[in-house]
Amino acid sequence: GEDVEQSLFLSVREGDSSVINCTYTDSSSTYLYWYKQEPGAGLQLLTYIFSNMDMKQDQRLTVLLNKKDKHLSLRIADTQTGDSAIYFCAESINEKLTFGTGTRLTIIP
Amino acid sequence: DAGVIQSPRHEVTEMGQEVTLRCKPISGHNSLFWYRQTMMRGLELLIYFNNNVPIDDSGMPEDRFSAKMPNASFSTLKIQPSEPRDSAVYFCASTLWGAEQFFGPGTRLTVL
Repeated sequence: GEDVEQSLFLSVREGDSSVINCTYTDSSSTYLYWYKQEPGAGLQLLTYIFSNMDMKQDQRLTVLLNKKDKHLSLRIADTQTGDSAIYFCAESINEKLTFGTGTRLTIIP
Repeated sequence: DAGVIQSPRHEVTEMGQEVTLRCKPISGHNSLFWYRQTMMRGLELLIYFNNNVPIDDSGMPEDRFSAKMPNASFSTLKIQPSEPRDSAVYFCASTLWGAEQFFGPGTRLTVL
């Protein structure tokens, strides 16, 4: 079955790195995604990784995928106040996305 | 490109009324998805279309919900009759061949 889990909250000091973790259960996922949702807004696609990759870097964002453990992480370097949001991971199987519960990232000045 | 467009952005209605939500996908995209977001259940996929054909509607909660995609640039999600528990934010998303799914701004529905 499909189940995607994330911790609900993360607080990080401004300038530090944030690491948001996610676990999933379906090994047939083709892509894994990270979306960002700011208050009252839609979901913004941040980045995604193909299931046969183990790392992807895009500016301040680094995605790590451990397929054996079914673990996905998003690292945000030099976290800024504008990074405050809810971050969702999602797995894709045959175009269908299953989302995690979301992690609310709070930045401490 | 304007991105995925949804209307209305906010809808307040009374229980029993019909509600129609609208979506215009990104031009050229061939798949369209309807999601619902609530505090209790998070983000749920309701239905998705590929080349205007419904592929999977297993997430549609009840027969009160129906969705159509008469052409590649328009889709509707209808709730008839609406109930208070349908209150949620409804998102539409589109993609071309499945890699990147882009979301619209959502419609916040309140059923009194």
